[in-house]
Amino acid sequence: DGGITQSPKYLFRKEGQNVTLSCEQNLNHDAMYWYRQDPGQGLRLIYYSQIVNDFQKGDIAEGYSVSREKKESFPLTVTSAQKNPTAFYLCASSISTGTGVYEQYFGPGTRLTVT
Amino acid sequence: DAKTTQPNSMESNEEEPVHLPCNHSTISGTDYIHWYRQLPSQGPEYVIHGLTSNVNNRMASLAIAEDRKSSTLILHRATLRDAAVYYCILRGGSQGNLIFGKGTKLSVKP
Repeated sequence: DGGITQSPKYLFRKEGQNVTLSCEQNLNHDAMYWYRQDPGQGLRLIYYSQIVNDFQKGDIAEGYSVSREKKESFPLTVTSAQKNPTAFYLCASSISTGTGVYEQYFGPGTRLTVT
Repeated sequence: DAKTTQPNSMESNEEEPVHLPCNHSTISGTDYIHWYRQLPSQGPEYVIHGLTSNVNNRMASLAIAEDRKSSTLILHRATLRDAAVYYCILRGGSQGNLIFGKGTKLSVKP
């Protein structure tokens, strides 16, 4: 079955540690996205990538970094510079970003807790 | 980016139709209207999208006002599994990311 996988589902870290969240897709999609969701809020865009070896900052990129070395993979690193890292992180993909038509497919999310 | 306005919450009875409204008075001519929903502790899932004409798919129907300043997502027979937060989102021609508001939390009573 095609889809997006995120691992792990729950992640706990101590303050000051960097942590990398995994996102893999086998849908052959060019575009991939990372969103953050805080309780009771909508999703906010962190980073997105339209093609391998290219990515752009979203609305809340500070304290995060990404890489896109393979089409299937778009890992997100939450660095110690991110002041409020505890959140629900969602990865998504779509065929492209070229038009407003293509739907986005979301993974199940990773819930990160930093204490 | 054009904004959308949705009620914070709505309630429905199981097996009854549900009409979820969305206002988007500043919509531009190239903006598509998308609906996604998010079940508790899950990622959002695509429901439906349209530009000018009403649209139907296996999940729902989308009714778009003639002036495109509002739209309504219609679930024909609500089930308990339809309880979720429903997001109405506008996407322009070259815009990749989705801009989420707080959406409408739909509760379905048995």
